[in-house]
Amino acid sequence: TQLLEQSPQFLSIQEGENLTVYCNSSSVFSSLQWYRQEPGEGPVLLVTVVTGGEVKKLKRLTFQFGDARKDSSLHITAAQTGDTGLYLCAGRNSGGYQKVTFGIGTKLQVIP
Amino acid sequence: DTAVSQTPKYLVTQMGNDKSIKCEQNLGHDTMYWYKQDSKKFLKIMFSYNNKELIINETVPNRFSPKSPDKAHLNLHINSLELGDSAVYFCASSQVGGNTEAFFGQGTRLTVV
Repeated sequence: TQLLEQSPQFLSIQEGENLTVYCNSSSVFSSLQWYRQEPGEGPVLLVTVVTGGEVKKLKRLTFQFGDARKDSSLHITAAQTGDTGLYLCAGRNSGGYQKVTFGIGTKLQVIP
Repeated sequence: DTAVSQTPKYLVTQMGNDKSIKCEQNLGHDTMYWYKQDSKKFLKIMFSYNNKELIINETVPNRFSPKSPDKAHLNLHINSLELGDSAVYFCASSQVGGNTEAFFGQGTRLTVV
């Protein structure tokens, strides 16, 4: 079974601060996705990273896929209250019908 | 237009009852999924169907029976509900293969009392 560990699991910061969330595994994934989930809603895809070492930016969010495709990070610059939510990383394996493995999630609270 | 819609959004029922959750997607996707999210927010895949055919069954108790009448619908029937079944159940859909995006429904919060 492929496992994805996320850290930290909980994060409470002031508006304007920077933060980084990590997603680690001992397994190699063909790609890794980051989702954000707000209360009472389903997860919504933020980004997919495919190539080892790949960096993608989405406004104030920067996503990186590790060189060995076993880990990823999400960095938020100058956090805003609208960034509050549950951030989930999801690894996809290769071959056949792809099964997605989700991490435990990082619950982020941005305080005004 | 809601892309992936589930009903009901909330379900409270007694132990031992049988209940169903319905899911429909209007995205034209071939693959649909059921996920369970527990109280610690851990999202775990239960089933995956591709074009009405069961592809993934993640050692879910056979009290859970998914049914896909067509590729736009994937329903989940649960027999003899137990307290431990309380969770939020998410339906999702995606295109086949590649690194495609999964679109999730709003979830069904099931509470077994």
